[in-house]
Amino acid sequence: QVRLQESGPGLVKPSQTLSLNCTVSGGSITREGLYWTWIRQHPMRGLEWLGYIYHSGHTYYNPSLQSRITISFGTSKKQFSLSLASVTAADTAVYYCARGGTSRGWELPRFDQWGQGTLVTVSS
Amino acid sequence: QSPLTQPPSASGSPGQSVTISCTGSTSDVGGYDYVSWYQQHPGKAPKLLIYEVNRRPSGVPDRFFGSKSATTASLIVSGLQAADDADYYCSSYAGNNTWLFGGGTRVTVL
Repeated sequence: QVRLQESGPGLVKPSQTLSLNCTVSGGSITREGLYWTWIRQHPMRGLEWLGYIYHSGHTYYNPSLQSRITISFGTSKKQFSLSLASVTAADTAVYYCARGGTSRGWELPRFDQWGQGTLVTVSS
Repeated sequence: QSPLTQPPSASGSPGQSVTISCTGSTSDVGGYDYVSWYQQHPGKAPKLLIYEVNRRPSGVPDRFFGSKSATTASLIVSGLQAADDADYYCSSYAGNNTWLFGGGTRVTVL
């Protein structure tokens, strides 16, 4: 059973960069057909897909965040990370990392494994 | 890209059925068979219930059924149980490797 765990600062000042890591255990992060994903949930609101990194390293981002977001693999091969620059109060949310899984290899992913989420507050 | 539209709330008594709609456009729900549904209990991470419109992951009971017509997807929860009291979110592929979520529906089991 794959497990994901988010980690990082719970408080970030406005205009600074939000940085989170997701540690993956119980499975290979480099296995073909997997999309390592970040999703956030604003307080009392719905979910927002932020982006993902494919096993090959290709990245795909939400167009509304394109200029501020970077998703990358860590050096440990067990982690992937999220970087969101120039944050404002509107970026306050619970941030989830998730696995985008496929079973046939060619289809688009479904988000089938999630971390527990971590609350990030943007405030001075 | 606008979020997909879901009703804010739905309810039913134990044993009854509830249907949740998810309305998008021809650029997302209507254009692809990549609609998923997620269940979220308070303080917990979302859990995948349905993917590719009507496929259930292993372990999800067949009381949960997904369908799609044109630009509207639906989740039917039959035989309502107390454990079904939760928030439900739809998601759809929107082209160019981007994804949309709905605003969520709060299901109350009366």
